[in-house]
Amino acid sequence: GENVEQHPSTLSVQEGDSAVIKCTYSDSASNYFPWYKQELGKRPQLIIDIRSNVGEKKDQRIAVTLNKTAKHFSLHITETQPEDSAVYFCAASIGSSNTGKLIFGQGTTLQVKP
Amino acid sequence: NAGVMQNPRHLVRRRGQEARLRCSPMKGHSHVYWYRQLPEEGLKFMVYLQKENIIDESGMPKERFSAEFPKEGPSILRIQQVVRGDSAAYFCASSPLEKGTQYFGPGTRLLVL
Repeated sequence: GENVEQHPSTLSVQEGDSAVIKCTYSDSASNYFPWYKQELGKRPQLIIDIRSNVGEKKDQRIAVTLNKTAKHFSLHITETQPEDSAVYFCAASIGSSNTGKLIFGQGTTLQVKP
Repeated sequence: NAGVMQNPRHLVRRRGQEARLRCSPMKGHSHVYWYRQLPEEGLKFMVYLQKENIIDESGMPKERFSAEFPKEGPSILRIQQVVRGDSAAYFCASSPLEKGTQYFGPGTRLLVL
């Protein structure tokens, strides 16, 4: 079945450094890839998303890149701050589905040390 | 514009009881998704509904679980005869479009004793 693999499961960086989280997906027909940030006990919040007709998207310190051929996409956070500490989830739409349902990765716990 | 609302935020049930979780989508959103999140894991799709219709319930367990999204009122996820394995956070998300961006509610944390 459809699957999304996310790495690493934990990531610790110093404040000001960059953080990169990578995901691979199995469904070559997937065309929508959102990233969510979830703080402890809170709701997942959309931070950035990308559709398959573009290869890169940037929003201030956050960027996402997509390689459709290799079926992987990555989240890049530059100039990390302690408030970036959270669990980050990638997701991919199911290409064969018309419903928009998402398959999520297992999550990456990002810790930004002051 | 209020975000997606869910209630209750926390629910404790004993084995065998029923759990009823409610989700009010954002204003103008007619597409609702339910996801389940086990501790230390990602979110797993359960069901997708539009007003008065279940569109995709491929992620829903075949027994004890049901969902509805009536013409008036919130979407409801119902779990009958709960078991300890049902303990999880249940999130709903709403979208204005069939394949649009999904906005999540705060979740209902179900604990089955």
